[in-house]
Amino acid sequence: QKEVEQNSGPLSVPEGAIASLNCTYSDRGSQSFFWYRQYSGKSPELIMSIYSNGDKEDGRFTAQLNKASQYVSLLIRDSQPSDSATYLCAPCNQGGKLIFGQGTELSVKP
Amino acid sequence: DGGITQSPKYLFRKEGQNVTLSCEQNLNHDAMYWYRQDPGQGLRLIYYSQIVNDFQKGDIAEGYSVSREKKESFPLTVTSAQKNPTAFYLCASSMTGASGGQYFGPGTRLLVL
Repeated sequence: QKEVEQNSGPLSVPEGAIASLNCTYSDRGSQSFFWYRQYSGKSPELIMSIYSNGDKEDGRFTAQLNKASQYVSLLIRDSQPSDSATYLCAPCNQGGKLIFGQGTELSVKP
Repeated sequence: DGGITQSPKYLFRKEGQNVTLSCEQNLNHDAMYWYRQDPGQGLRLIYYSQIVNDFQKGDIAEGYSVSREKKESFPLTVTSAQKNPTAFYLCASSMTGASGGQYFGPGTRLLVL
């Protein structure tokens, strides 16, 4: 079992729709969770962090965490073509290291 | 204007050559990291440092070396022992323990001639 699993995609959604990106992780001791956005050819950019079970909203982005199910997700409302990128899920494990998933490629079609 | 800088943006290596990638940060972060990203793959940790004059191997340290003589700087040397060095190299920094997330530099793309 991989430490962090994400669907590689591509996930294609029409402009204005909600994009839902999912991630599962294996280390039950993980306490901090991060979402990064990576445009093609660029470095990852931290866009969301979540530490407690439930939802955390920041503009069009909502992160959801369920530690019992070892599941974290990112919702993007009113998706725009500029949201087209690869999204990386990264739990922080008990050793204090971020473990990155392989990422989900999102394509938002005008 | 705080941030992380990496240089050069592109680097070409000849067979048998050692090359050094630069990483500097002015975020006053204690911890710094080096990752390698291959096309279509996730980030793999090469080395990390939580404090000056100390560093630890990551998952793929063979063929690489680092130093941490200053808090702001964490250069990575790709040695001739690294047989497949072509990749996108990313430097990151964080407060100690990474519980607040890591912040990345723009990256260096290394190509073999």
